Amino acid sequence: EAQVTQNPRYLITVTGKKLTVTCSQNMNHEYMSWYRQDPGLGLRQIYYSMNVEVTDKGDVPEGYKVSRKEKRNFPLILESPSPNQTSLYFCASRTSGGRTQYFGPGTRLTVL
Amino acid sequence: AQSVAQPEDQVNVAEGNPLTVKCTYSVSGNPYLFWYVQYPNRGLQFLLKYITGDNLVKGSYGFEAEFNKSQTSFHLKKPSALVSDSALYFCAVRVVYGNKLVFGAGTILRVKS
Repeated sequence: EAQVTQNPRYLITVTGKKLTVTCSQNMNHEYMSWYRQDPGLGLRQIYYSMNVEVTDKGDVPEGYKVSRKEKRNFPLILESPSPNQTSLYFCASRTSGGRTQYFGPGTRLTVL
Repeated sequence: AQSVAQPEDQVNVAEGNPLTVKCTYSVSGNPYLFWYVQYPNRGLQFLLKYITGDNLVKGSYGFEAEFNKSQTSFHLKKPSALVSDSALYFCAVRVVYGNKLVFGAGTILRVKS
């Protein structure tokens, strides 16, 4: 089944404790991206990647890092999480020429 | 800069009545337009998209949307609402050949029986 998977689905952590949210897609998509969803703000793009080893900042990249060492994986790294990063995070992917992005199930992160 | 406006935080409709969820956009260039739906505790599901061609686009679950270039709108519609349509709906826009998908703030649709 074609899908985007994220792990973990739920995470509660404390300020300053490094964490990684994994994202994987099995559709051989070149383009992957991370969004955060906050009430009243919709989804905002954090980072995106056009292909392996090619990443760029989205609208709200501060406090986040990403890497794209393999085509299928696009982990989101929070080196020192803070409470304002409490949010619902979505990973998405599409082909380089594709019009439609496909989203993962989301990761609900709480930073205390 | 791209932007999307969903002017209604919430839309309330009686089951069986037609529904409209509004979306207007602003881009420099030709747009790709999308509607996504999010059910409680679920991810985003793709509903429909406008790329080019016919201004009336039909999508999943009986939804349709009309692209209006002069009004820069892409309103989501359904002739007869179901209680199971109750969810959070997002409109999104991407410039052709662009990398960024910009979302509106979302509209909660509540359909009451």
